[in-house]
Order: sequence, then structure tokens, then C-alpha cells
Amino acid sequence: DAEITQSPRHKITETGRQVTLACHQTWNHNNMFWYRQDLGHGLRLIHYSYGVHDTNKGEVSDGYSVSRSNTEDLPLTLESAASSQTSVYFCASEAGTGGTYEQYFGPGTRLTVT
Amino acid sequence: DAKTTQPTSMDCAEGRAANLPCNHSTISGNEYVYWYRQIHSQGPQYIIHGLKNNETNEMASLIITEDRKSSTLILPHATLRDTAVYYCIVKEYGNKLVFGAGTILRVKS
Repeated sequence: DAEITQSPRHKITETGRQVTLACHQTWNHNNMFWYRQDLGHGLRLIHYSYGVHDTNKGEVSDGYSVSRSNTEDLPLTLESAASSQTSVYFCASEAGTGGTYEQYFGPGTRLTVT
Repeated sequence: DAKTTQPTSMDCAEGRAANLPCNHSTISGNEYVYWYRQIHSQGPQYIIHGLKNNETNEMASLIITEDRKSSTLILPHATLRDTAVYYCIVKEYGNKLVFGAGTILRVKS
């Protein structure tokens, strides 16, 4: 069955280190998204991509970057990890029929920056 | 996209129907109503969406009022596994999902 996976599921890193979170989907969806979820803020959009070589900033993009070199993967990079980036990160991909889209979410990555 | 208003929390007895309301009084003609849920520590899960007609799938039913200013998600026979945060989102085709606080549904035995 097609799916969306994230790795690692848990990560502890130190302030200032570069960290990359992986997201891989096997639906061949063009659209992919990264969200973070914190208590009191709900899910917030970080970056998104509508296809290979396309990337866009979301609501909370500072300190994060993405690249899209193929359809299946959208890795999220924290250039220099900060304690404020401790969060749960969710990746999603988007299907569509008849012009309406539903997103499918991965299981999440819990990141702790110490 | 129009904003939505949902109750903070609701309780439902196991086996009974769970009816989750959502107000979206400023919805425009091109905006769809989507429902997602998030079970503890998992990624959000798509449930159902609609434009103006009532919709039903294997998970739930969506009832949209004729003026489209409110809707109700119905889980016909709630189980303990339906305990989750339920998000009602209104968005236009091509726009991005914006998650609010949602409704915490507690299904009790």
C-alpha cells in the first residue's frame, strides 16, 4: 500500500547543529507539506512544495529550509537548531480528485533541541 | 479562507452517535468544509469534506446547512478509538489547510 513515512521518529540534538528530517511518500503526489505542532499553537505550516524544484515558505519558515529533487521526498533542514524549534514535526502529501484535495499525514518526528 | 468556531470539548457514550458542530458563518461560495481528526500523538487523519450537499463515507457523515453557515460531523457509532481532536477547516480549492484548536471528543464506556 502507498504510504508516507518520516524519519527519524525521535531526535535529540544540540543547539547550533544542523538537522535534517526526512519525509518520503509513495503516492506520487505532487504536493508536499511540513508542519510543526506545539502546545497552544496547533499545527502551523513551515514549508510546502507543489512539485520537483518548487518550494514555498509557510507561516513559520524562519530557520528552516526544504529542497525537492524528486517527487517522493521533501527533507526539512534546520540550519542551526534552536531550543525554540523543539516540537513535533509532521509531513503531509496531498491527493486530489475533481479539484478538491485531502492531505495524508506522516506519523511525525519528535525533535528535542537541548 | 473563512474562520470556523468549534466547541472546545465534547463527551459521547460509546456506541452512540457523536455529533460535532462547526460554525462558519463567513464561508464563501467557493469554500469547502473539511474535517480532520488527530488521535493522540499521531498525524492528522482526513475524514470527509463537502461543498453544499451532505456527504457520507465509511468513517462519517457531513451535514451542511442550506445556508452553509454551519455543519455537523456525525460519527454514527462512536467507539473508544474515536477519542481525538476533531478539526473543522474551511478552505477554497488550491488554498492551504489552516488548523485551529479543534474539538476534543472523549468517547466514554
